[in-house]
Order: sequence, then C-alpha cells, then structure tokens
Amino acid sequence: EAGVVQSPRYKIIEKKQPVAFWCNPISGHNTLYWYLQNLGQGPELLIRYENEEAVDDSQLPKDRFSAERLKGVDSTLKIQPAELGDSAVYLCASSSQPQETQYFGPGTRLLVL
Amino acid sequence: AQSVTQLDSQVPVFEEAPVELRCNYSSSVSVYLFWYVQYPNQGLQLLLKYLSGSTLVKGINGFEAEFNKSQTSFHLRKPSVHISDTAEYFCAVSGVGDYKLSFGAGTTVTVRA
Repeated sequence: EAGVVQSPRYKIIEKKQPVAFWCNPISGHNTLYWYLQNLGQGPELLIRYENEEAVDDSQLPKDRFSAERLKGVDSTLKIQPAELGDSAVYLCASSSQPQETQYFGPGTRLLVL
Repeated sequence: AQSVTQLDSQVPVFEEAPVELRCNYSSSVSVYLFWYVQYPNQGLQLLLKYLSGSTLVKGINGFEAEFNKSQTSFHLRKPSVHISDTAEYFCAVSGVGDYKLSFGAGTTVTVRA
C-alpha cells in the first residue's frame, strides 16, 4: 500500500514569490494534516481536514497561508508571498479517523532566499 | 493542553550499546503517548504508542518504552543499537480521544562503529 505522497520534495524560491505544496494521503484516509517543522524542532500542526472540511485551522497564518482539499482526497498548501522565515519542512500526514495513528509523508523542504 | 520535554538533544552511542531517550510530558488529562523516528530527509515513522493497558510498550526495530504515570515519563529504550538507528527521535503526546499531537523538540541519535 502506498504511503502519504508529497511533492515537490525540495523547493527553493526567492522571498515574496508564491509556492505550493501537494499531498496525497493514504487511500481511504479521511483525515489529513499539514504540519510545519522548523529546523531542530518537532512538527507543529497547521491545519486538519476531515474529508473536504477544514475543522482546525487555528494555527494557520491566514494572511499568507491557505490550504484546500476540494474533493476530500489530495490537498494543496500555499504560501503567498513567501518570507525568509517560512524556510522549513512542510509535512503532510493522514489517518483513517481523527483519533487513529497519523502516517507522515516525506515532507517538502522549502528554502526561501 | 499537553506538552512534551525531551531531556536530551543529542545522544551519541556506540554500535551494539544500549540507548535510552528520555521524554517527560505535562497534561491535565489522561494521555496517549507516541515515539516517532525520522531518518535523514524522510518523514516521521511511528515506532510505538501507548494508549492504555500494559505500561511497557514494544515497538518496531527492537525499541520499547515504559509509561510511568507518577513520573509523567515515557522513556524509549533499545538494548543494542545498530548504525541504521542513527536518526532523529520525537516523543509526542495527545489527550485521550484527541487528534492533536504535541511533539517534543527531538533527540538526535548518532550511532558510531
């Protein structure tokens, strides 16, 4: 069974440019999470989806970050415009139900110059 | 809210030696506890989890952890490490029935021959 797929794996952009990350969860997993992992730290939740509904986006900086999961399967996280401090790893995870084990993708490593 | 403190940021260890990674948590409610491993340039992989029942939990790759409620700890151990165990290890906590994981800052384990 395929795991959580993320692309791209690496992205280098200049500040003020837009960037988007894509995630395809494990088949059948209704719950999808986006995490931010800064260097030397543990992941921090940005947003959680139940099917196509964002049920917890309290930690998402809405002035520049947005996310969507239009058909309740794959998801896109966008930053516009990117800032230097956005350099980090963006992890996607999924679970069959909210309380079940979360399975993580390999992440997208973003460098903003 | 829950929080996790990983007491060691880096643990160097020789191959075939035992290793213990320390994790303490803080919570006002009953908790679930997790250990994840992150190999270089990869996502997080679940090593083991404590939900209820026996306080000694066995996971993959020969790892085990013990839940100690009185000391609010969940230390991870392996009796004999391999070079391939070189990775970042994260302890995480959630409230019982809650989806939200709070991660520690991570412990880098470096195994040397």
